[in-house]
Amino acid sequence: QVTLRESGPALVKPKQTLALTCTFSGFSLTSFGMCVSWIRQPPGKALEWLAFIDWDGDKYYNSSLRTRLTISRDTSKNQVILTLTNVDPVDTAAYYCARVRHPWNFFDSWGQGTLVTVS
Amino acid sequence: QSALTQPPSASGSLGQSVTISCTGTGSDVGDSNSVSWYQQHPGKVPKVIIYEVSKRPSGVPDRFSGSKSGNTASLTVSGLQADDEADYYCCSDVGDTRLFVFGTGTKVTVL
Repeated sequence: QVTLRESGPALVKPKQTLALTCTFSGFSLTSFGMCVSWIRQPPGKALEWLAFIDWDGDKYYNSSLRTRLTISRDTSKNQVILTLTNVDPVDTAAYYCARVRHPWNFFDSWGQGTLVTVS
Repeated sequence: QSALTQPPSASGSLGQSVTISCTGTGSDVGDSNSVSWYQQHPGKVPKVIIYEVSKRPSGVPDRFSGSKSGNTASLTVSGLQADDEADYYCCSDVGDTRLFVFGTGTKVTVL
C-alpha cells in the first residue's frame, strides 16, 4: 500500500525559508519510473504544481518559482524535502506531495496535505 | 507555464450529463498524451479520475470519460449523482519535459 505524509511548520514568518518533508512508504524512489512531486493549493484556490524529483535524482521546477524552490531526497529515509525561500503571505497554502510513475505522468497517490500559513 | 483554462462552474441535474473543458496550448495539452483529471470534494485530497486523456483508474465509474481535440481536453460526467458535486481540475505535462500545469478548476453543482 502506497502512503505519503507531509510534515513541516504550520506557521512561517515572511522572508523566512519553508522546509517541508514528504515521508512515503510502499515504493522506492530509486526504482525505475518512481517520482515524487509537490503541489500546493491556496485556500479556496486552484492546485499549483511546484516541483518533481525522479528515480535518477533529476529535478524539475515550476518556472515561476524556480529561483525559490529546491527539491531533494533522502532515499535512506524514504523522504523528499521541499524548501521555499523568502516566503510571502501569498505562499499560504495546503502543500501536498504525490507520487508519479513514469511514463504514466499523473499523480496517482497523494498525501493528506499540510497547511502552511505565512504571517 | 500558464494555468490551463477551465470554466469556473458547471451544473447539471441528477441523472443528466455535464462536460468540462480544459484549454491549453500547443506546448501542453496540444502536445500531450498525459492529460489527467482530478476530483476534489471540499476539505478532501484530490483524486485522479482520468489519466492519459481518456483512461480510468481502477475503481472509477465509467460515468467519467475524457477526450481531447487539439489544445482542449474535456471531461464528461454522465448520469450525474449527488456525490459528483465537487471541484474538478485538469492537468497536463508540458511537451517532453517533466513539467506539469494544472487547470484553473471547475466547480460542478448537481441540481
